[in-house]
Amino acid sequence: DARVTQTPRHKVTEMGQEVTMRCQPILGHNTVFWYRQTMMQGLELLAYFRNRAPLDDSGMPKDRFSAEMPDATLATLKIQPSEPRDSAVYFCASGLVGYTDTQYFGPGTRLTVL
Amino acid sequence: AQKVTQAQTEISVVEKEDVTLDCVYETRDTTYYLFWYKQPPSGELVFLIRRNSFDEQNEISGRYSWNFQKSTSSFNFTITASQVVDSAVYFCALSETIQGAQKLVFGQGTRLTINP
Repeated sequence: DARVTQTPRHKVTEMGQEVTMRCQPILGHNTVFWYRQTMMQGLELLAYFRNRAPLDDSGMPKDRFSAEMPDATLATLKIQPSEPRDSAVYFCASGLVGYTDTQYFGPGTRLTVL
Repeated sequence: AQKVTQAQTEISVVEKEDVTLDCVYETRDTTYYLFWYKQPPSGELVFLIRRNSFDEQNEISGRYSWNFQKSTSSFNFTITASQVVDSAVYFCALSETIQGAQKLVFGQGTRLTINP
């Protein structure tokens, strides 16, 4: 049963600290997406990759957020420095362009910045 | 710009009742996909269905059915004989293709509570 995995599932940190969230996409998928979910804004797309190359990160606050795909099995989302307004659930999703074009979501990382 | 509206913020019904979740979308694209996702209390987002804009056939999967009406830009979701396990937040989403990748635009979600 292929699934997207995300670590950590929960993270509590203090303002100013660096936060790194990791995602393992479904093996063979060639697109990876990062979303953020908050009560106020709902689900927002932060960034996405195709074949490990970043295609669009216009949804991310550039000064503190960065997203990378060091290899096909790992995507990372970093926040440095973190702020209380970054508290949210961060979802990673993966898909296979040209085949099903459906995005499958991981369980999410619940981030709390104090 | 792409937009998805789920006008029903919350719905509460008694078990075994049928319930319909509404979804209205806006797009200028001629080719697009529509999706429904379920978010149970555990928090994960579970894919339910994808519909191509060229395929207006209704779909049924067990107790779930979907009605796609291109003329009214709607993609409604009906649960027949609802069960407590159906309690969740349901999201309708619309895709747009940017550089070969499907970007999803989500509605605000409908929180469905099924009472025993």
